[in-house]
Amino acid sequence: EPEVTQTPSHQVTQMGQEVILRCVPISNHLYFYWYRQILGQKVEFLVSFYNNEISEKSEIFDDQFSVERPDGSNFTLKIRSTKLEDSAMYFCASKMQGEGGELFFGEGSRLTVL
Amino acid sequence: QQQVKQSPQSLIVQKGGISIINCAYENTAFDYFPWYQQFPGKGPALLIAIRPDVSEKKEGRFTISFNKSAKQFSLHIMDSQPGDSATYFCAASKRGSQGNLIFGKGTKLSVKP
Repeated sequence: EPEVTQTPSHQVTQMGQEVILRCVPISNHLYFYWYRQILGQKVEFLVSFYNNEISEKSEIFDDQFSVERPDGSNFTLKIRSTKLEDSAMYFCASKMQGEGGELFFGEGSRLTVL
Repeated sequence: QQQVKQSPQSLIVQKGGISIINCAYENTAFDYFPWYQQFPGKGPALLIAIRPDVSEKKEGRFTISFNKSAKQFSLHIMDSQPGDSATYFCAASKRGSQGNLIFGKGTKLSVKP
């Protein structure tokens, strides 16, 4: 069964460092997303990406965050200068169609900022 | 107005019982209401979803009941099994949105054997 894969599964970094989280969405999907989940809290939308550009972003997704699809398969989330409050599980998701349709999530990348 | 309020926070049910989780929303622009199941260490996985043109949707042991006038929807798990023990999230998205899901805070379900 096709799945969204994410790397690394866990990353520990020092405050102020740059972090890149990587995702390989399901191959025929066109819409890509990043969500985050702070430990014990709800899943929160960060950004959606379609046709090589951001289609929607939340208030959380400030100038410290960026996304990129550098080639035909990878989708990355970069945090330029990490803060303690960026510690969370980051989920990549993808789907085939815009309206409706099932959103498939990866298993997540746990980011710990010290 | 962007919130989806979910209750209870945790739920303990005996095997074979019915698990009921409730959600409420304010924004009438929401038109897609999925439920996600999350096991520890895994990403959320779509369980069942409904649009407001129907009042109920059933898939196996899982049923969504939708009350458009009350702006509430609920998940019923019939014949609950220990394997159903997980965290359940309701969510909603707006008409025209392409996957920006607003999630509830989650319900941790424990089904006791």
